[in-house]
Amino acid sequence: QVQLVESGGGVVQPGRSLRLSCAASGVTISGNAMHWVRQAPGKGLEWVASISYDGSTKFYAHSVEGRFTISRDNSKNTLNLQMNSLRPEDTAVYYCARDRGAVGAFPPDAFNMWGQGTMVTVSS
Amino acid sequence: DIVMTQSPDSLAVSLGERATINCKSSQSVLYSSRNKNDLAWYQQKPGQPPKLLIYWASTRESGVPDRFSGSGSGTDFTLTISSLQTEDVAVYYCQQYYTTPPTFGQGTKVEIK
Repeated sequence: QVQLVESGGGVVQPGRSLRLSCAASGVTISGNAMHWVRQAPGKGLEWVASISYDGSTKFYAHSVEGRFTISRDNSKNTLNLQMNSLRPEDTAVYYCARDRGAVGAFPPDAFNMWGQGTMVTVSS
Repeated sequence: DIVMTQSPDSLAVSLGERATINCKSSQSVLYSSRNKNDLAWYQQKPGQPPKLLIYWASTRESGVPDRFSGSGSGTDFTLTISSLQTEDVAVYYCQQYYTTPPTFGQGTKVEIK
């Protein structure tokens, strides 16, 4: 089955860290840029971070720059998001998404495959 | 950052009738050298992740019913559902990917009247 599966979400106290992962199955993502997008409860979509196919280029939203780090392991067909110094406003469902751009293309194109998401709750 | 503004925030349409959603960007997203608008539309049903419907403003993603169509250029775009079906009840988002950061509209909720 072709899918992206996120994991690593949970409840964490403000200031603590969490690491999210996104595993691709039935599809190879090593040639595509990848993204993290989040959605706070009852709110719209907010782009978080992007990474090029080879990991050499990364972009971050202003709201997470310096606290979050996007990375990928193409040998394991996975995408990661290390989240440090978490704040209550980081509470959201976090989705990983695949870029539809041509293999190796960057900057981002539309996002044509999404995982089901993993919930992150930052609360004391 | 490019700001994406959708209108209306919500709309209720009778089954089989047309639904129209507008999206305006704060600057042009027309990539001149390719003559393509870097504008996408997504559909999100309750409890589900977003699904890509349209990219380049008017190109339907594979498998998307042809009752969904996109139009517009530059800063003004429209998503049209020509004949609303029950399965089309969802929130719809536009997104620009012309420049980083990619930005989304606030969403438009479509319901059955």
